Amino acid sequence: DQQVKQNSPSLSVQEGRISILNCDYTNSMFDYFLWYKKYPAEGPTFLISISSIKDKNEDGRFTVFLNKSAKHLSLHIVPSQPGDSAVYFCAASDPRTGTASKLTFGTGTRLQVTL
Amino acid sequence: GAVVSQHPSRVICKSGTSVKIECRSLDFQATTMFWYRQFPKQSLMLMATSNEGSKATYEQGVEKDKFLINHASLTLSTLTVTSAHPEDSSFYICSATPSGGHWGTGTQYFGPGTRLLVL
Repeated sequence: DQQVKQNSPSLSVQEGRISILNCDYTNSMFDYFLWYKKYPAEGPTFLISISSIKDKNEDGRFTVFLNKSAKHLSLHIVPSQPGDSAVYFCAASDPRTGTASKLTFGTGTRLQVTL
Repeated sequence: GAVVSQHPSRVICKSGTSVKIECRSLDFQATTMFWYRQFPKQSLMLMATSNEGSKATYEQGVEKDKFLINHASLTLSTLTVTSAHPEDSSFYICSATPSGGHWGTGTQYFGPGTRLLVL
């Protein structure tokens, strides 16, 4: 049962343009969402997060949007840079698990930013 | 800030031996650490939650006697793969959640991972 889904396994965007990565979830109890960036053979790097009480959070070139009614979140990267090329994972936290920060990860989207 | 280290970064061992992987939070204290496993081109699979001073909580399907976890201090958790077999070869990643402070809570910070190859 995949509670967090990233339906696009890959995405290619031209440098300077906007990258939009999508994530859907099924568990309505998730209350905290995060995006991580991962290079091969490395651990994920935290990018940005959003609490369920908000619908938008911005940090530099990265903005995360949350649509609770649709159970959907997205990560916008503007402008995209070649160094953004990596696999992006969205993750969600369910406070009922007893450990506040236990995360459920999506399957990842490989972003390639072309010149 | 919020740096998590893992050691070793890569290990090759013979089948039947045990391997210990260390996970350290370098600039924050972590009551809770997590151990993940990642297979090629797949997502991170949570293996267990490590709590300082208490027993680890294992996810369904993860053998606790095979993957021994010790969280002896607020900055160190270890994962020991006992009697390793080739099917245990994988990329093991730990993460840590700050116990408050300016890093806040709820965000996991990941180590660089350990590549285990069992021959």
